[in-house]
Amino acid sequence: DIQMTQSPASLSASLGETVSIECLTSEGISNDLAWYQQKSGKSPHLLIYSASNLQDGVPSRFSGSGSGTRYSLKISGMQPEDEADYFCQQSYKYPLTFGSGTKVEIK
Amino acid sequence: EVQLVESGGGLVQPGRSLKLSCAASGFTFNNYYMAWVRQAPKKGLEWVATISTRGTTTYYPDSVRGRFTVSRDNANSSLYLQMNSLKSEDTATYYCARHSNRLSFDWWGQGVMVTVSS
Repeated sequence: DIQMTQSPASLSASLGETVSIECLTSEGISNDLAWYQQKSGKSPHLLIYSASNLQDGVPSRFSGSGSGTRYSLKISGMQPEDEADYFCQQSYKYPLTFGSGTKVEIK
Repeated sequence: EVQLVESGGGLVQPGRSLKLSCAASGFTFNNYYMAWVRQAPKKGLEWVATISTRGTTTYYPDSVRGRFTVSRDNANSSLYLQMNSLKSEDTATYYCARHSNRLSFDWWGQGVMVTVSS
């Protein structure tokens, strides 16, 4: 199974600040990496697929990058509505696996 | 608009069975792989099952293989999860999700709670 190591577990940012979340995979996944946002009490929502492709309707302040075994999600200019949990997921092979999540709060 | 609506959750004793359903609308159901993903209380996400477009191929993680069975009814745009020999560690919110063509999950239902307890 592909292990997903996501960091940090939590972070606190001011409005307008740029933040990054990292996801390391135990083997190369050829950019088959997705990022999800989950607000409190809600279902997850796809933000980024194939490492860097923005899902329709997602604000452009969200971006994804990376290759091989190292991937990151960046939020350029934190907004109040960005307070949520964020998860990475490898879509390279079964079993599909998720990172442990990052809790992002507004300072 | 894509909609996925789960039903069938509830409280069940360990060792018993439960069947979840997901009603899909707003897209051509039989064109997509479908999946179940669960989330234990205050925990992360765990993929549970995937089924191919015609239902001929299924995938499971080791944690549920042999106990859970995913199926679909394309005529009625419905997805199912039969859960047998339930354990306390199966307690979670179960989400029905649509796969994109790259095996990410591009649409999610609102989730249904399953509690396994005596």
